[in-house]
Amino acid sequence: EPEVTQTPSHQVTQMGQEVILRCVPISNHLYFYWYRQILGQKVEFLVSFYNNEISEKSEIFDDQFSVERPDGSNFTLKIRSTKLEDSAMYFCASSAWAGGHYEQFFGPGTRLTVL
Amino acid sequence: GIQVEQSPPDLILQEGANSTLRCNFSDSVNNLQWFHQNPWGQLINLFYIPSGTKQNGRLSATTVATERYSLLYISSSQTTDSGVYFCAVFNDMRFGAGTRLTVKP
Repeated sequence: EPEVTQTPSHQVTQMGQEVILRCVPISNHLYFYWYRQILGQKVEFLVSFYNNEISEKSEIFDDQFSVERPDGSNFTLKIRSTKLEDSAMYFCASSAWAGGHYEQFFGPGTRLTVL
Repeated sequence: GIQVEQSPPDLILQEGANSTLRCNFSDSVNNLQWFHQNPWGQLINLFYIPSGTKQNGRLSATTVATERYSLLYISSSQTTDSGVYFCAVFNDMRFGAGTRLTVKP
């Protein structure tokens, strides 16, 4: 069964450093998403991406964040200068458009720890 | 935005018991999913259920869109069912706060 994959599973970084989180969505999907979950809290939407551009973003997704689809398979989230409060689990998801409805499939997540 | 509320926040069961988890939402939706977050943090798709009823083994879900709620039923619970159950309304990209289920042997 096709699945969304994410690398790395765990990333430790120093405050102020740049990190890139990587995702490989399901191959025939057209919509891609990033979410984050701070430990013990609910999952929060960051950004959605379609046709090589951002289609929607939340208040959390400020200038420190960027997304890119550098090739036909990868989807990345970059945090330019990490802060302690960026420590969280980051989930990538993808969906196919199907008659006005779409089910999102989530990857296993990348746990980011900022020291 | 759409408000998504889940109840109860915590639930402790003895193995073999049945349970019902509820998700209320404040506006019309046409994209609703249930997830199970396992102890390793992974979000496992349970149901895509914007309306109607679906069943998958011991789990089933019902969404009554006109009354703005969805229910997740777990029958004959097992210790592996432990974790946090989230409903998510993707009309507005919102997750509920989750129900933490603990199943004791």
